[in-house]
Amino acid sequence: DTAVSQTPKYLVTQMGNDKSIKCEQNLGHDTMYWYKQDSKKFLKIMFSYNNKELIINETVPNRFSPKSPDKAHLNLHINSLELGDSAVYFCASSPYGVSTDTQYFGPGTRLTVL
Amino acid sequence: DQQVKQNSPSLSVQEGRISILNCDYTNSMFDYFLWYKKYPAEGPTFLISISSIKDKNEDGRFTVFLNKSAKHLSLHIVPSQPGDSAVYFCAASVGGNKLVFGAGTILRVKS
Repeated sequence: DTAVSQTPKYLVTQMGNDKSIKCEQNLGHDTMYWYKQDSKKFLKIMFSYNNKELIINETVPNRFSPKSPDKAHLNLHINSLELGDSAVYFCASSPYGVSTDTQYFGPGTRLTVL
Repeated sequence: DQQVKQNSPSLSVQEGRISILNCDYTNSMFDYFLWYKKYPAEGPTFLISISSIKDKNEDGRFTVFLNKSAKHLSLHIVPSQPGDSAVYFCAASVGGNKLVFGAGTILRVKS
């Protein structure tokens, strides 16, 4: 019974396309996050939502737009995909506000832009 | 601007011996530090943490040491087991705010 799930697991697409990655958590957590792991392997936070409200928005291009239809879901939509968007994207959740040791991560979505 | 650095990309250790993973940071405002473990095709999972008011925290085979004056922390695994083979990420935060991760160290425990 997966706690934090992401779909799809792999995504291969052409430059210029628009794509979405979905994330769902069944832990009843209030806060959800999107991280990007780039080619240098650093995990960098992109966004955080608490009860459907945006609370962290790092320096991310406007082409990236998170959407939280309810507190169990945080989807990531990417417009006009670029080569540099190729990375592994991780969704995570935590029970309270932005917190540290209680973040639970999904398995990741490997995005490849050709 | 790498505020959290893990300078060893990989480490190989014999089963039963000690594994020591190191992490350095540059931001003196960091007050909470964590280690995450990641297996292939899975997301990171929380392992152990330490507050800046402490210099050591233990949880079973895992111990984290913090040296604030050197801006250095380390994770000790004793004894190392083959199942410990994974990527270990060091992370830090200021006031429970967003996590800043290092690039990870691949640990291989040989049986």
